[in-house]
Amino acid sequence: NAGVTQTPKFRILKIGQSMTLQCTQDMNHNYMYWYRQDPGMGLKLIYYSVGAGITDKGEVPNGYNVSRSTTEDFPLRLELAAPSQTSVYFCASSYGAPGSNQPQHFGDGTRLSIL
Amino acid sequence: AQSVSQHNHHVILSEAASLELGCNYSYGGTVNLFWYVQYPGQHLQLLLKYFSGDPLVKGIKGFEAEFIKSKFSFNLRKPSVQWSDTAEYFCAVGGSQGNLIFGKGTKLSVKP
Repeated sequence: NAGVTQTPKFRILKIGQSMTLQCTQDMNHNYMYWYRQDPGMGLKLIYYSVGAGITDKGEVPNGYNVSRSTTEDFPLRLELAAPSQTSVYFCASSYGAPGSNQPQHFGDGTRLSIL
Repeated sequence: AQSVSQHNHHVILSEAASLELGCNYSYGGTVNLFWYVQYPGQHLQLLLKYFSGDPLVKGIKGFEAEFIKSKFSFNLRKPSVQWSDTAEYFCAVGGSQGNLIFGKGTKLSVKP
């Protein structure tokens, strides 16, 4: 199993550009998550999904959009990139919700710089 | 609101020293607790988890954590650290509803 796969690994964007961060998992997990990690701030949840066709906002959703048309894929879209979105983005998936004690499996991350 | 506090931002130890990283959470209900590790340049990996039963949980690579309900704590321990334990460690809590809440992380540097 590949686990959770994120692409691209690195990207530099200009202010105002748009892009989609791809995330796919092959573990048939229902739950998928997008986090951003900033130095000294831990991980902040951007959006999550409890299944195909269902998404919900996390702690820091502004400036981002997601979709979940299939169980496997959970892309994250930045419509108008801003310098504040410079960060490392992690996608994760789990079989059940955090409250069900299921651990999350993480992708390798996408390092995004907005200049 | 739920929160997780990790008291130490950066810990520096020599090899063979003992390790204890503090983690406190604020959530009054049933909790599931996790420790994740992130090695330099890598993604987060699960070290151990607690959801019920024995409050002393053993994880991979010789790590263990103790859940103390009265103190809302879930501290991570290792009797003797190695250089390869250099990483960032994240405590996280998942409640009965909603998402996983992460602490800000503790960087561990082990000197050879």
